[in-house]
Amino acid sequence: AQSVTQPDIHITVSEGASLELRCNYSYGATPYLFWYVQSPGQGLQLLLKYFSGDTLVQGIKGFEAEFKRSQSSFNLRKPSVHWSDAAEYFCAVGAHDYKLSFGAGTTVTVRA
Amino acid sequence: EADIYQTPRYLVIGTGKKITLECSQTMGHDKMYWYQQDPGMELHLIHYSYGVNSTEKGDLSSESTVSRIRTEHFPLTLESARPSHTSQYLCASSASSEQFFGPGTRLTVL
Repeated sequence: AQSVTQPDIHITVSEGASLELRCNYSYGATPYLFWYVQSPGQGLQLLLKYFSGDTLVQGIKGFEAEFKRSQSSFNLRKPSVHWSDAAEYFCAVGAHDYKLSFGAGTTVTVRA
Repeated sequence: EADIYQTPRYLVIGTGKKITLECSQTMGHDKMYWYQQDPGMELHLIHYSYGVNSTEKGDLSSESTVSRIRTEHFPLTLESARPSHTSQYLCASSASSEQFFGPGTRLTVL
């Protein structure tokens, strides 16, 4: 069975600074990988996904993520954070049975 | 734009009441899912369906039940609510591995 670890429970970053959120997965085959964002009281919105091909994927809101098979990682990055990026971020891994396994999430706080 | 709806958004109810959380999608997706999410925790899959008249229990045991009589509708029912059922319930749908989420229902059982 697949699993996801997000090592950072909470990250605080200054507005305009860069952001990197870590995600490590465990899965025996080539995974489907996702990053979702959740604002308070809301559902999850897909930021980006990796199925195959180019290991650097671009998403919405200026986010990107890089798939590194050798490290079993799929870290999310943004060069310059905006106050509106304060939210909870979830990494997920999918298998061929269409089910997703989620990490525990990383809460991002943006300070002025 | 994903169109998946959940009602109610918030529900406060007393112990022992029967409740149904509604989930509908207009995308024609054959797969639908229910997740339970507690604060600061990951999402746990409690039910899923790969098509009409097909439902399965997820990885997290739940006392709730679901039905899938129509493609677009996937309601979740609790026959007798208890305080331990207090949580956020998220519904999702997909045509492939990418899942689209509704806004969630926050349930509080007193």
